[in-house]
Amino acid sequence: QKEVEQDPGPLSVPEGAIVSLNCTYSNSAFQYFMWYRQYSRKGPELLMYTYSSGNKEDGRFTAQVDKSSKYISLFIRDSQPSDSATYLCAMRDDYKLSFGAGTTVTVRA
Amino acid sequence: EAGVVQSPRYKIIEKKQPVAFWCNPISGHNTLYWYLQNLGQGPELLIRYENEEAVDDSQLPKDRFSAERLKGVDSTLKIQPAELGDSAVYLCASSLRETGNTIYFGEGSWLTVV
Repeated sequence: QKEVEQDPGPLSVPEGAIVSLNCTYSNSAFQYFMWYRQYSRKGPELLMYTYSSGNKEDGRFTAQVDKSSKYISLFIRDSQPSDSATYLCAMRDDYKLSFGAGTTVTVRA
Repeated sequence: EAGVVQSPRYKIIEKKQPVAFWCNPISGHNTLYWYLQNLGQGPELLIRYENEEAVDDSQLPKDRFSAERLKGVDSTLKIQPAELGDSAVYLCASSLRETGNTIYFGEGSWLTVV
């Protein structure tokens, strides 16, 4: 079983919809939680970074962490075609960063 | 500010041939990473450098893979000999040691072994 599980999708939504992405994990030592966005043929870029349980908002993006359930989420409000990409969750303990497999999202104009 | 620069972007080689990838991290970043990303998967760490020292190479297949970071700046990842299963994207990334959670990735070197 992988330490980080992420539904690969694909996920297709109409423009303006809310996109909901999530990951589960098994390693209780993970302390830092991140979401990366990866466009086709590009490297991942950091979107959101959270340390503790709770919500963190940045513009149209909201990241949620529930350590008790070992579950993290990313919500994208008012989705745009430019949000079409693969979204990777990532989590870190003291030693390494572990990624999910990524969810491919397409926002239809 | 320039980002992480990798070359070549794309490489096609025959199996059993050698290949090398080069990475120039963001200026001032003392931590450098090489990740492997297979199609439909997340990146997996191959090796992490703190300055010129490889501090985590536990996932690097040392029978055919090697890496170096001379002078603690640029890095090279080499595969010799390449196998069909090595076809993947090789991502270089860098970070400041103090903010290790903010890792900046290059655009990757896309390897196809035929």
